[in-house]
Amino acid sequence: AQSVTQLDSQVPVFEEAPVELRCNYSSSVSVYLFWYVQYPNQGLQLLLKYLSGSTLVKGINGFEAEFNKSQTSFHLRKPSVHISDTAEYFCAVRPSQGAQKLVFGQGTRLTINP
Amino acid sequence: EPEVTQTPSHQVTQMGQEVILRCVPISNHLYFYWYRQILGQKVEFLVSFYNNEISEKSEIFDDQFSVERPDGSNFTLKIRSTKLEDSAMYFCASRGQGANEQFFGPGTRLTVL
Repeated sequence: AQSVTQLDSQVPVFEEAPVELRCNYSSSVSVYLFWYVQYPNQGLQLLLKYLSGSTLVKGINGFEAEFNKSQTSFHLRKPSVHISDTAEYFCAVRPSQGAQKLVFGQGTRLTINP
Repeated sequence: EPEVTQTPSHQVTQMGQEVILRCVPISNHLYFYWYRQILGQKVEFLVSFYNNEISEKSEIFDDQFSVERPDGSNFTLKIRSTKLEDSAMYFCASRGQGANEQFFGPGTRLTVL
């Protein structure tokens, strides 16, 4: 079975500051990793994913994440945030083979202050 | 850009009543999912559906729940006799053949009184 822990439930930052949203996972098998974003009153939108290959993956809206197998982490980063990045961010994993269900973390609410 | 749609956006029902939550997946997708998120908790997997049958379900998905693809476009989740603890946001998702990404709808907020 897999589990995901997002260490911060809320992260407030100032506009144009860098941000890192932390995600750690646990799994006995190899996994694919995902970050989803949920803007107010909208569905979950995929930001980026790690399947294999380069451990640094780039996504939409200037976000990137680094897969660290030894630390079982997949932290999300952005060098300079905008007001429009205010949203809930979810880290998710699923096994690379077999079951397709996603296992989510509890989410991190990112609030950008002017 | 194609998207997953869900109706209604908000459903209020009395405990013990049946509800049907509707989803229209992306048209060429073959794999369908329901997830839910109780307020303040994680998004949880309920069920996956492929080729007109359930391929996987969680412990939450008991006999009170059922899914159906009644026609070529809709994918529904039925709760036969709702309980207070069924109050949650329900998300539908779909995935294309050979793809790794699930596309999510905006969700239906179910409130059981």
